[in-house]
Amino acid sequence: QQKVQQSPESLIVPEGAMTSLNCTFSDSASQYFAWYRQHSGKAPKALMSIFSNGEKEEGRFTIHLNKASLHFSLHIRDSQPSDSALYLCAAFNVGDNSKLIWGLGTSLVVNP
Amino acid sequence: GGIITQTPKFLIGQEGQKLTLKCQQNFNHDTMYWYRQDSGKGLRLIYYSITENDLQKGDLSEGYDASREKKSSFSLTVTSAQKNEMAVFLCASSFNANTEVFFGKGTRLTVV
Repeated sequence: QQKVQQSPESLIVPEGAMTSLNCTFSDSASQYFAWYRQHSGKAPKALMSIFSNGEKEEGRFTIHLNKASLHFSLHIRDSQPSDSALYLCAAFNVGDNSKLIWGLGTSLVVNP
Repeated sequence: GGIITQTPKFLIGQEGQKLTLKCQQNFNHDTMYWYRQDSGKGLRLIYYSITENDLQKGDLSEGYDASREKKSSFSLTVTSAQKNEMAVFLCASSFNANTEVFFGKGTRLTVV
């Protein structure tokens, strides 16, 4: 079964920094990759997703996928204290009985 | 937009008690999920359902039952509550497995 692993487990950065969060997956047939964000006490919410190799930018957030290296990442430019949250990555392929496989999360703290 | 409603928001039960958590969605999504989230940690899949009356076990199904009575509702039963399963239980839904997952606000379970 697909395994999805996130690193680092936790991260503290100063306001304005570039933050990089990483996710590796085990199944090269995976087709869909997503990042979710969960603020403390709130429900997780989708941030960005990608289907094919390359990168996609939305505002301060960029998602990058490299299927050959079984790796996708989320980059946050000009990190803000409001970005402090638990970040969850997920991957999907049809071999997993039609469900997303989730990483365990990276806890991000952005200090003002 | 749609909404996922989980009831109750807080649930206090006694050790050994059978407890039921309910979830309703008005997105008209086919797939629904139950996740358990321990404090500050990632999501662990308990059960999911890809259509009405379908049930699929997740990695954490032991000690739980689920029921997809109709397309819009998905309930989870803790068969015998244990003190080590105090957590937040999140219900979620999606159109299918590789589209955005929407989450409810959770039910916080305390076992005394």
